[in-house]
Order: sequence, then structure tokens, then C-alpha cells
Amino acid sequence: NAGVTQTPKFRVLKTGQSMTLLCAQDMNHEYMYWYRQDPGMGLRLIHYSVGEGTTAKGEVPDGYNVSRLKKQNFLLGLESAAPSQTSVYFCASSYFPGQPQHFGDGTRLSIL
Amino acid sequence: GQQLNQSPQSMFIQEGEDVSMNCTSSSIFNTWLWYKQDPGEGPVLLIALYKAGELTSNGRLTAQFGITRKDSFLNISASIPSDVGIYFCAGYISSGSARQLTFGSGTQLTVLP
Repeated sequence: NAGVTQTPKFRVLKTGQSMTLLCAQDMNHEYMYWYRQDPGMGLRLIHYSVGEGTTAKGEVPDGYNVSRLKKQNFLLGLESAAPSQTSVYFCASSYFPGQPQHFGDGTRLSIL
Repeated sequence: GQQLNQSPQSMFIQEGEDVSMNCTSSSIFNTWLWYKQDPGEGPVLLIALYKAGELTSNGRLTAQFGITRKDSFLNISASIPSDVGIYFCAGYISSGSARQLTFGSGTQLTVLP
């Protein structure tokens, strides 16, 4: 009964380092999403996927890459971390667009 | 992209009071969702609305899909301490390239004992 699981939960990086955030869902959802949440700005869509092997850009895609090699997993990569990428990152999934999205508990990322 | 204006940004209320918050947009939406986010956790769905004029309740929570399809309201009756959190509205438009949820900036609710 895990739903959407994100790893890691916390991470501190130095500017220029790279890392990958992992999202896994066990609900057989086709659609998966990566958001970032910054104070006073709500949730902004970074990238999303409409199915295994597909990805698309969201509202704020610059500096991020994603991959969906397996239906249940959606990876978010930062190739060269910048302080502006300090944020809380949320993964979500849904059966179809417009259907309620189920969220993970987030990854808190700080870039020094 | 579409903009959702959520208000108020924050609220401080006494336990037992009723709460109202709303989201408005210049765009027409097909779906309205209301989420709550507790500290350190991800947003959790409270209510989903799919038809203009729809009024749906979930315990002490009631939400409405505006007739114009450009707004939605969330009411919480008889607030309790565990209602503390951030409440987000989200809207979905099914046409064109906007096949994504758009989120409001959230309403931070504080319930005072």
C-alpha cells in the first residue's frame, strides 16, 4: 500500500554536482509527473510522462532531465546543480490527465 | 500558461470557526481539485469536482465547481487543530496543449486553540 515513493527524502549538494531523484509508484498509473515547490509559488511542473518510454517538458524544465524506462519508475536528474534548484521536489502519478494525482512525500534538496 | 488566483494566502482562525477559500481564473476548467498538504508531506486529495455547479462534501469539507467554470470554493466547517496545513486548488483543461494540472499558490491555514 505504498502509493508513490520518493528517494532520497533529503539531500545536500554542492554547486555543479549531479544527482538523480527516484520516484516509484505501485498503482499501475500511466502518467507520472515531477514538480518543484517553492515558498509562495505552489507547485510547478518540471517534466511529465504519459507512459513508459515517453517524457515531455512542463512549465520549468530547464536544468533537469527525466527518464521513464519502466512504467512504475520516473527519474529526475540534475546534471549540474545550481543554487536556484534548491527546492522541495514532488513526484505524482495518475491514471489519466485531469484525474486526481497521487503525490509522494517529497525530496528536500539544498544546493550550496 | 493558465493562472490560478487562490485566496486568501493565509488565514488565522479560532478553533470551531468556519473557513472559506477560493480559486479563480480567467480560463475555463474541466476539473477542479482541492488538496491539503501537511508539513513535511506531499499534497493529499480532499475533493474532486468534474461538473459545473457541482457541490461535493467530504466530512466537514464542502467544495463547489463554479457555474462559470472559472472558479471553485472550499469551505471547512467547525475547524479543529488538525485542519492546520496548506490547502491547494488545482484545475485541469482538457483542450489544446494545456493537458496538465495548474495549481494555485496555496492557502496556509492556522487554527488557534
